[in-house]
Amino acid sequence: ETGVTQSPTHLIKTRGQQVTLRCSSQSGHNTVSWYQQALGQGPQFIFQYYREEENGRGNFPPRFSGLQFPNYSSELNVNALELDDSALYLCASSLGVGGYEQYFGPGTRLTVT
Amino acid sequence: AQSVAQPEDQVNVAEGNPLTVKCTYSVSGNPYLFWYVQYPNRGLQFLLKYITGDNLVKGSYGFEAEFNKSQTSFHLKKPSALVSDSALYFCAVRDGGQAGTALIFGKGTTLSVSS
Repeated sequence: ETGVTQSPTHLIKTRGQQVTLRCSSQSGHNTVSWYQQALGQGPQFIFQYYREEENGRGNFPPRFSGLQFPNYSSELNVNALELDDSALYLCASSLGVGGYEQYFGPGTRLTVT
Repeated sequence: AQSVAQPEDQVNVAEGNPLTVKCTYSVSGNPYLFWYVQYPNRGLQFLLKYITGDNLVKGSYGFEAEFNKSQTSFHLKKPSALVSDSALYFCAVRDGGQAGTALIFGKGTTLSVSS
């Protein structure tokens, strides 16, 4: 069984640029959630996709957007990057939106200069 | 609003001793509670969860957690700590009564097990 994978591992961007992060969910999982983890902090919920529809959103501005594809993989897009967007971005997949545990990928480390 | 508190930034224990990592929560409905562990430069690994049923939940690597509704707590425990348990531990909660609600994480507790 393949776990959650994310690409790229590391990324360096300049303020004002746009970035796309990718996530492949674990086999059989139809729900993907994205989190931002700043240094020394717990993960902060960005949004969740369930069967290709957004199913909840945290307190992040509209320049954070996402997609979920028919194979349940997902993308996180961030426009107009700011220095504070520098963080570890985590993707997690689960069997559904109820009490199912989420399985996390290794994350993408984004540095904005 | 949902929230999680992990009151200790760091917990230090000697190998072989029991360990406890504390977590308290606040939700308006029934809580779904989770513990995750994070090793350096890695994603989070699921340890255990409480949804309903027995208040004592057993999970991976010998960890267990006790749900206490009156104290709104969900402390993580292990009878005998290993050096390899040293890592960052996160408690998380979501409101089971509200569809589409987020998993809210605490700020984490660093566990250090000395040999």
